[in-house]
Amino acid sequence: DARVTQTPRHKVTEMGQEVTMRCQPILGHNTVFWYRQTMMQGLELLAYFRNRAPLDDSGMPKDRFSAEMPDATLATLKIQPSEPRDSAVYFCASGPGQTLNTEAFFGQGTRLTVV
Amino acid sequence: GENVEQHPSTLSVQEGDSAVIKCTYSDSASNYFPWYKQELGKRPQLIIDIRSNVGEKKDQRIAVTLNKTAKHFSLHITETQPEDSAVYFCAAPQTPLSGGYNKLIFGAGTRLAVHP
Repeated sequence: DARVTQTPRHKVTEMGQEVTMRCQPILGHNTVFWYRQTMMQGLELLAYFRNRAPLDDSGMPKDRFSAEMPDATLATLKIQPSEPRDSAVYFCASGPGQTLNTEAFFGQGTRLTVV
Repeated sequence: GENVEQHPSTLSVQEGDSAVIKCTYSDSASNYFPWYKQELGKRPQLIIDIRSNVGEKKDQRIAVTLNKTAKHFSLHITETQPEDSAVYFCAAPQTPLSGGYNKLIFGAGTRLAVHP
């Protein structure tokens, strides 16, 4: 049963520290998304990649967030420095197609708490 | 534009009743409309989707209808059961007003509670 794998599942960190979240998309999927979920904002698109190339990252605060795909099996989302308002669940999702017209398979999420 | 609006934000029904959730979108070029279900503490998972070449799609107790002219699509759940209680999200690819690649934008979600 192919799944998107995210690590860590939970992260508690102090304000100002660097946070790195990792995602292993489903093998063969061409599109990778990063979403942030909070009670107030719902599911916000932070960034997405197609064939490892970043297509859109306009949803990310550029001064502190960065997203990369060093290879086809790994996507990373970094926050440096972290702030309490970054506390949320961060989901990675991957999709099999070259367009957005297919199912997005979500990972289990990383629950981030910045204190 | 890049806007997907979802209503209602909360919905409470009695077991056995029907539930309807509606979404509107702004990008007339959108041609794929999925619905995701998210149970408490879990990941969103696709439950049904529809493409713009059809007006309705059914899968057992759930159905989705699409009105491209009015730019809205709806999720219908019949004979609701307590295990249908979850947050439901609609989504649609939307093209940014500023240009660039289209994005998969989610509605704000509907919290459905089915009471026994």
